Amino acid sequence: KQEVTQIPAALSVPEGENLVLNCSFTDSAIYNLQWFRQDPGKGLTSLLLIQSSQREQTSGRLNASLDKSSGRSTLYIAASQPGDSATYLCAVLPSGGGADGLTFGKGTHLIIQP
Amino acid sequence: DGGITQSPKYLFRKEGQNVTLSCEQNLNHDAMYWYRQDPGQGLRLIYYSQIVNDFQKGDIAEGYSVSREKKESFPLTVTSAQKNPTAFYLCASSISRPSQIGSPLHFGNGTRLTVT
Repeated sequence: KQEVTQIPAALSVPEGENLVLNCSFTDSAIYNLQWFRQDPGKGLTSLLLIQSSQREQTSGRLNASLDKSSGRSTLYIAASQPGDSATYLCAVLPSGGGADGLTFGKGTHLIIQP
Repeated sequence: DGGITQSPKYLFRKEGQNVTLSCEQNLNHDAMYWYRQDPGQGLRLIYYSQIVNDFQKGDIAEGYSVSREKKESFPLTVTSAQKNPTAFYLCASSISRPSQIGSPLHFGNGTRLTVT
């Protein structure tokens, strides 16, 4: 069964720093991987989606990479801002059959100190 | 503006009562999903629907039921058979099945259900 792990569980850094969030998954048979942002008490906002055939995706200050063979993805946030404070979730879509839904990690709670 | 609307935002029920959570989308998406989120755990899939009048069980469907009579609507009923119903429930949609074209999921703002 696919499992998704996110490290660290929580991270606090000063404003302006570049940072990396990590995501690992146990089964490399995936269609795609998505990174989401969740603000307290809210739903999830999709940030980046990487297809299994792709290596990375970029949107503004965000860059996500995917190494399917090693079961790892990273989300790079450049020049962090207090508004980036949120929980970041990684999710994979398994291609091995079963329910057609994403498998989520537990998230990294990020705090950017002003 | 297009989006997904979940209502109500907060819901309180007594144990033993069934309760229905609403989810409506005006994005013209075919696929809709219900997830449950508990503190310290990742999201878990309850049910999903790829098209009107069709739905499939997810990983934790026991104690829940759904219907998909209209493309825009995918209500979730939490029945008295669900042993731990208190949670944050999230509805999502995508253009089609994610596996077909890698379409990202769009989420509503959730309903927090408390059962006492």
